[in-house]
Amino acid sequence: AQSVTQPDIHITVSEGASLELRCNYSYGATPYLFWYVQSPGQGLQLLLKYFSGDTLVQGIKGFEAEFKRSQSSFNLRKPSVHWSDAAEYFCAVGANTGNQFYFGTGTSLTVIP
Amino acid sequence: ETGVTQSPTHLIKTRGQQVTLRCSSQSGHNTVSWYQQALGQGPQFIFQYYREEENGRGNFPPRFSGLQFPNYSSELNVNALELDDSALYLCASSQGGSTHGAGNTIYFGEGSWLTVV
Repeated sequence: AQSVTQPDIHITVSEGASLELRCNYSYGATPYLFWYVQSPGQGLQLLLKYFSGDTLVQGIKGFEAEFKRSQSSFNLRKPSVHWSDAAEYFCAVGANTGNQFYFGTGTSLTVIP
Repeated sequence: ETGVTQSPTHLIKTRGQQVTLRCSSQSGHNTVSWYQQALGQGPQFIFQYYREEENGRGNFPPRFSGLQFPNYSSELNVNALELDDSALYLCASSQGGSTHGAGNTIYFGEGSWLTVV
């Protein structure tokens, strides 16, 4: 069965510090992997996605993620966090038939000055 | 701004009532999916409509139903509301109903907040 695990419910980092949000997935085939961000009271915004090819994916707002098949992971990173990055982050696996997503439970990011 | 609009943005209903939520997909998109996001949880797939037909459904009871219209806008209907139906309901639109694909970007609306009391 498809599933996504985000082991960190909440992370706090200082502004300017580096960030890594963890994501592990379970999927029977080659996964389509996504990271979305959700600001309070807002919908989901796509940060980046992986379908195939280069395992290091660049996204918007300076984010990147690395697909590691051997670890079933797709961790999100940013070298220097800005206060505006405070939000909820969701990792998702896309089904290879239909457009259905399987989302993790999210990681809430707090950025302190 | 994704071009996906949802209405209403907030509403309160009483247990047992029925609710209709609406979604206008981005121009040119023929596929609409609906998700339920309970507080503190990730979104859960309800169902998907492609060219006016339901072509995928998650683990939700039949009292969750939907429609897609010829202009590809969509409705989510929930009958016999229960307290646990309180959630953010998200609509997502895309072009092409069969696969995510490398070029098939999916856009989410800002959601409709439903509170059942």
